Amino acid sequence: DAGVIQSPRHEVTEMGQEVTLRCKPISGHDYLFWYRQTMMRGLELLIYFNNNVPIDDSGMPEDRFSAKMPNASFSTLKIQPSEPRDSAVYFCASYSGGAKNIQYFGAGTRLSVL
Amino acid sequence: GDSVTQMEGPVTLSEEAFLTINCTYTATGYPSLFWYVQYPGEGLQLLLKATKADDKGSNKGFEATYRKETTSFHLEKGSVQVSDSAVYFCALSHGGYSTLTFGKGTMLLVSP
Repeated sequence: DAGVIQSPRHEVTEMGQEVTLRCKPISGHDYLFWYRQTMMRGLELLIYFNNNVPIDDSGMPEDRFSAKMPNASFSTLKIQPSEPRDSAVYFCASYSGGAKNIQYFGAGTRLSVL
Repeated sequence: GDSVTQMEGPVTLSEEAFLTINCTYTATGYPSLFWYVQYPGEGLQLLLKATKADDKGSNKGFEATYRKETTSFHLEKGSVQVSDSAVYFCALSHGGYSTLTFGKGTMLLVSP
């Protein structure tokens, strides 16, 4: 399996622009997570899905952030409009459920908002 | 709520030195405990885990023992290598739930 695939790996944009991050989970995994990593706050869970349904979005910082999972093999995290404080590394992870509870992470998208 | 506290880094060691990275947690019940590792430019990957008190997780020479009485899960390795340089995250989750609570991470730098 190719693992969790995220795109793009790097994104540089200007304040006010819309940004879309993409994630393809591991086939057969029922859970998908979006995290944000910054030096100041560490790793934060933004939202997670189970069987394509959002379960908990309490970590989404504000209404400018939205996430969708239209099918089992694709998810997006959108920021509109983007702000410099959104600059971070965004990770997607997937998990197959069950007692093992091992999440598999993608390589991340490094976002810079100028 | 749940929380995980790790020692602040960076931890700087010479090759073949002994490593300890401290991790303590606050949680109700009996969580599962994990160590994840993040190599430069990559995502996190599971290093080891333990699901109940006194369990020892081990992988690639790293070990950690689930200590319920001290709510700790310290990571150890007897002889580190330059290739172990990475950021190490301690985390917990509750059985039946899928979310992980992470510590802030500890950077390890190993010099030849």
